[in-house]
Amino acid sequence: SQTIHQWPATLVQPVGSPLSLECTVEGTSNPNLYWYRQAAGRGLQLLFYSVGIGQISSEVPQNLSASRPQDRQFILSSKKLLLSDSGFYLCAWSPDRGGMIAFFGQGTRLTVV
Amino acid sequence: SQQGEEDPQALSIQEGENATMNCSYKTSINNLQWYRQNSGRGLVHLILIRSNEREKHSGRLRVTLDTSKKSSSLLITASRAADTASYFCATDVRGGADGLTFGKGTHLIIQP
Repeated sequence: SQTIHQWPATLVQPVGSPLSLECTVEGTSNPNLYWYRQAAGRGLQLLFYSVGIGQISSEVPQNLSASRPQDRQFILSSKKLLLSDSGFYLCAWSPDRGGMIAFFGQGTRLTVV
Repeated sequence: SQQGEEDPQALSIQEGENATMNCSYKTSINNLQWYRQNSGRGLVHLILIRSNEREKHSGRLRVTLDTSKKSSSLLITASRAADTASYFCATDVRGGADGLTFGKGTHLIIQP
């Protein structure tokens, strides 16, 4: 069966520090991968999606970047964090065909101080 | 921008009662989905309804879709304390792999 792993679960980082959140998927090949951000009491905002290795599409211009170095690995990065980068970050995957059901990781609570 | 807007934003009912949440959206869709999120956790897919369907059931869940009104409802029957969570509708607007558009969610509290 397919599983998705996202870590760390919580992270406190100072302003100006770098960020690297990692997400891996097991049990499937060529998944579509997504990074979402959820602000407190808000819905999810799509940040990046990827349909294949090295293929990244950005939905919102911002201080973050994403990379997909391997088929089932998706990384969210920042060179210098801002206070406004605080939030709940969720990685998700969906099958490469057969519909748009998304399967989510458990999320990373990022607090920039 | 938000595609789906759920209402109410918050709903508190007694255990055993039915809970109804609504979602409105703005543009044409391929399908609409409902997800559940327990506090501080990831989202879990509940049910998908395609644009050519009007109603769908899954256990205690019933979803309706009215494309003429661009709205959907999620009914949870015989609610349980464990149903306490936030519920989000999500639309697949453009098809393909470019992500779902989520509403802000309804926070449901089931009082034991």
